[in-house]
Amino acid sequence: EAQVTQNPRYLITVTGKKLTVTCSQNMNHEYMSWYRQDPGLGLRQIYYSMNVEVTDKGDVPEGYKVSRKEKRNFPLILESPSPNQTSLYFCASSFIGGRQETQYFGPGTRLLVL
Amino acid sequence: QKEVEQDPGPLSVPEGAIVSLNCTYSNSAFQYFMWYRQYSRKGPELLMYTYSSGNKEDGRFTAQVDKSSKYISLFIRDSQPSDSATYLCAMSARGSNYKLTFGKGTLLTVNP
Repeated sequence: EAQVTQNPRYLITVTGKKLTVTCSQNMNHEYMSWYRQDPGLGLRQIYYSMNVEVTDKGDVPEGYKVSRKEKRNFPLILESPSPNQTSLYFCASSFIGGRQETQYFGPGTRLLVL
Repeated sequence: QKEVEQDPGPLSVPEGAIVSLNCTYSNSAFQYFMWYRQYSRKGPELLMYTYSSGNKEDGRFTAQVDKSSKYISLFIRDSQPSDSATYLCAMSARGSNYKLTFGKGTLLTVNP
């Protein structure tokens, strides 16, 4: 089954404790992206990657890091989480070329930073 | 002015009603227009995709894009309780590295 998976789905942590949210896709997509979704603000892009070892900032990259060492994986790293990073996070992927704007989203990771 | 404006609702309709959801935008470079449906506690799923202006129909769903007015719409005919979800408009410009700009979403409830 074609899918984007994220782990963990729910996470409660404390300020300053480094964490990683994993994202994996099995569709051989070149493009992967991270979004956060907040009430009243909608979905906003954090980082994206056009291919292995190619990453770039989205609209709200502060406090986040990413890496793309393998095509299928795109982890999101919060090195020193703060309460304002409490949010719902989505990973997405798509092909480059053709209907490239049609991104497939993962199920989401709900993060609470205390 | 925000790039994409979408009335957050909530919108509540009886089963069988025709639903109209809308977004306006300010960036004339947008060429790709999408509607995503997001059920509670799930990720967004693509519902409709339209390139440039025009209409597109898929079953009970019709997407319209009016680039001259910078206005897009999604119509749902014969709405069902299973259509209850948040509907997100999204758009993208050529050469934008596939960045999607989303509306804030409209929460729709279809009552049996």
